[in-house]
Amino acid sequence: GEDVEQSLFLSVREGDSSVINCTYTDSSSTYLYWYKQEPGAGLQLLTYIFSNMDMKQDQRLTVLLNKKDKHLSLRIADTQTGDSAIYFCAESITSSASKIIFGSGTRLSIRP
Amino acid sequence: NAGVTQTPKFQVLKTGQSMTLQCAQDMNHEYMSWYRQDPGMGLRLIHYSVGAGITDQGEVPNGYNVSRSTTEDFPLRLLSAAPSQTSVYFCAAKEGGTSYEQYFGPGTRLTVT
Repeated sequence: GEDVEQSLFLSVREGDSSVINCTYTDSSSTYLYWYKQEPGAGLQLLTYIFSNMDMKQDQRLTVLLNKKDKHLSLRIADTQTGDSAIYFCAESITSSASKIIFGSGTRLSIRP
Repeated sequence: NAGVTQTPKFQVLKTGQSMTLQCAQDMNHEYMSWYRQDPGMGLRLIHYSVGAGITDQGEVPNGYNVSRSTTEDFPLRLLSAAPSQTSVYFCAAKEGGTSYEQYFGPGTRLTVT
């Protein structure tokens, strides 16, 4: 079935890099996404990668996609206190263009 | 341009009561979806719609009904509320075709006692 898995917690020191990992099951996904949710707020699209790409960089964010292993990662360089949030990995299901399956979210906390 | 709006923001229901969560979008997007968010479980898709008059079930549809009579509105009905439906509910809208971005509403926090 369709499933997206990610670890629940990550703690990093301010200024270090954060790497959040995700695995997914649908090998024919069109897009893979990273969403950010701050406390009490809805989800905000952080970045996405098309399935025929290996890497995408956007300022402090780097997304790596390994299609063979169905593994997606999000690297945040120079992590700041404002990066504290829950990060959700998600995949679009090609059998239904509107269906997006989310992982359980990784809570990123920043240590001084 | 308000994007996706949801009402109410908070709601408390007694077991067995029914209610409708409202969702509206002003972006003329074809696709709309309802998700519920529970701690440690991420977002799970309840129902979705690919256009006015068309709806389909997601991962967890039981206990919920939807309709899509207009492009703008996609209400979610709880027929007989149960404590297991205590959750935060998010509505989302997306352009059709190969569009990648899904826009989320601010959420409705529902408690069923």
